[in-house]
Amino acid sequence: SQTIHQWPATLVQPVGSPLSLECTVEGTSNPNLYWYRQAAGRGLQLLFYSVGIGQISSEVPQNLSASRPQDRQFILSSKKLLLSDSGFYLCAWTHNSGPQETQYFGPGTRLLVL
Amino acid sequence: AQSVTQLGSHVSVSEGALVLLRCNYSSSVPPYLFWYVQYPNQGLQLLLKYTTGATLVKGINGFEAEFKKSETSFHLTKPSAHMSDAAEYFCAVRLQTGANNLFFGTGTRLTVIP
Repeated sequence: SQTIHQWPATLVQPVGSPLSLECTVEGTSNPNLYWYRQAAGRGLQLLFYSVGIGQISSEVPQNLSASRPQDRQFILSSKKLLLSDSGFYLCAWTHNSGPQETQYFGPGTRLLVL
Repeated sequence: AQSVTQLGSHVSVSEGALVLLRCNYSSSVPPYLFWYVQYPNQGLQLLLKYTTGATLVKGINGFEAEFKKSETSFHLTKPSAHMSDAAEYFCAVRLQTGANNLFFGTGTRLTVIP
């Protein structure tokens, strides 16, 4: 069966510091991968998605970036964090066989920027 | 463009009462429709989805939803609320063609009163 991992689970970082959040998927190959942010009291905002290694689409321009160095690894990064980057970051994956496929979510990383 | 509206950011019901969470979508073409549940500090879990076929969809934990094209709605119901149903619920849509992205509503927090 497929599983999706995210780490760290919780992170507290000062403003201006760098960020690296990691997401890995097991038990499948060539998945579509997604990064979402959930701010307090708000819905989910799609940040990035990837349909293959090295292929990244950005949905919202901001100081975050994403990379996919391996088929089942998706990394969210920032060079300098802002206070507004605080939130709950969720990684998700789907099979790449069409829009009817379910998105499966990881457990999330809670980021607090101080 | 597609969008999702969840009426009521907070819904309270008594234990044993009917649960009704509303979702309306706006889309130029028939979409695929999803309901997810999120328990505190966790990722999202799929409750049910509509892709094709029968418009009344049954999901996990006794939930069901009915796709009504004429009303552009996909309301989530459960005949009898349990305390364990307290969570946040998200409706989401994805187009059948084009970008393979999910568009989420802002969520409805369900409180179950003993």
